Formats: sequence, structure tokens, C-alpha cells
Amino acid sequence: EVQLLESGGGLVQPGGSLRLSCAASGFTFNIYAMSWVRQTPGKGLEWVSGISGRGSNTYYADSIKGRFTVSRDNSKNTLYLQMNSLRVEDTAVYYCAKERAATAYDGLDTWGQGTKVTVSS
Amino acid sequence: EIVLTQSPATLSLSPGERATLSCRASQSISSFLAWYQQKPGQAPRLVIYDASNRATGIPARFSGSGSETDFTLTISSLEPEDFAVYFCHQRRSWPNSFGRGTKLEIK
Repeated sequence: EVQLLESGGGLVQPGGSLRLSCAASGFTFNIYAMSWVRQTPGKGLEWVSGISGRGSNTYYADSIKGRFTVSRDNSKNTLYLQMNSLRVEDTAVYYCAKERAATAYDGLDTWGQGTKVTVSS
Repeated sequence: EIVLTQSPATLSLSPGERATLSCRASQSISSFLAWYQQKPGQAPRLVIYDASNRATGIPARFSGSGSETDFTLTISSLEPEDFAVYFCHQRRSWPNSFGRGTKLEIK
């Protein structure tokens, strides 16, 4: 069974840092691109970041560029999101998600359960 | 950044009726559009990819159409489990973007 399990969320003060992890299982992790998507309470989805299967290409939303860094350790089947200089507006549930196809960016077909990040003083 | 505008924001229909949801892109995205269904307390679920292809396990009553800037998700005959929020997602360029969603509610 294909599964994604996020961890690392929590309460942090503005200006602080957190590192989210996403443990993958049930598929060949290193051939699938992955994304991070966040959702604020009662609101919609915001795409945050993406990374290719080998980790050589990374992509970021303008709202987090320069503050967040996506990476992956294919030997550990784990995706990461390093979040620095956190702002109140970064408060959200963060999901990791897997691309449907190994060779295309056409749809996110598996999502984790999400991890909650709260930025507050 | 490409902006996706979904309409209507809320759609009230009865089981058995046909649902038509719209997603409009601020510039051409060819067919690089996906649709997701989200129920309360759950992660999104992929419904359609590449504008018109049903994802694995999605019933045939769901269909997607459109290209360039105008896209439609159609549910031919609503089942009780279809009432949820639906989001569109453009994959044409980085950064990706989502629409704000259409809430499909029971009338």
C-alpha cells in the first residue's frame, strides 16, 4: 500500500524554524517527484514546493521562496521541508503528496494525513 | 503566477442531478489541469488529471473537459458521497497553483 506520513509540525514563534518530514512507503520513492501543499483553516489549498525524483530540480511558491527549502533522501525514502523565518501567515496544515506518474507532473495521487504548523507568539 | 478562478463558489444540488463546475485560468495552460475532491477532515483526492483523464478508482460519472483557459468538471448524476469541495490545480508552469474551490452541497 502506498503511504505517506508527515511529521515535524508544531507551535513555533515568528522568526523561528521547523523541519517537516514525510516518510514514504509502498512505492519506488526515487522515481517520483513530490510536492508540499498547505491548507489554512477553512480555506483552500496552496501549492508550496516541488522536487524531482532525484532531487536535482526544485520549485517554490513565491510566498515562501528564500525561506523554505525542499529536499529528499532517497536512501531513507523521506521528503523534507526546512522552514526558516516563519511568519504567522505560514500557519497551516502541511501535506506531502506524490505525483501520479513517474515521468510527468500531471496530478498528485497520494497524500499524507497532514501535519499542523502554528506560528504564533 | 497563473491564477485559477473557480465558479461557482458554492453549488447546491440534489442527489441524481448533474453538477457542472468551472475553472478558468488567467493564461493558457494547455491541458495541464487536475481536479481534486476534498471531504471534511480528509486529504484531497485526485479525481481528474490532464484535464480529462479519470484517476484510478474514480467512477465514470466524473468527467473533465476543456483546454487552454476554460475547464469543466462534470458529475453526471450526483451520489451522496460526491458532496464535497472540489479544487482545480494547474501543472503547466512553476509555481503551480490551485483554485479556491467549489463547495458542492446538498440542496
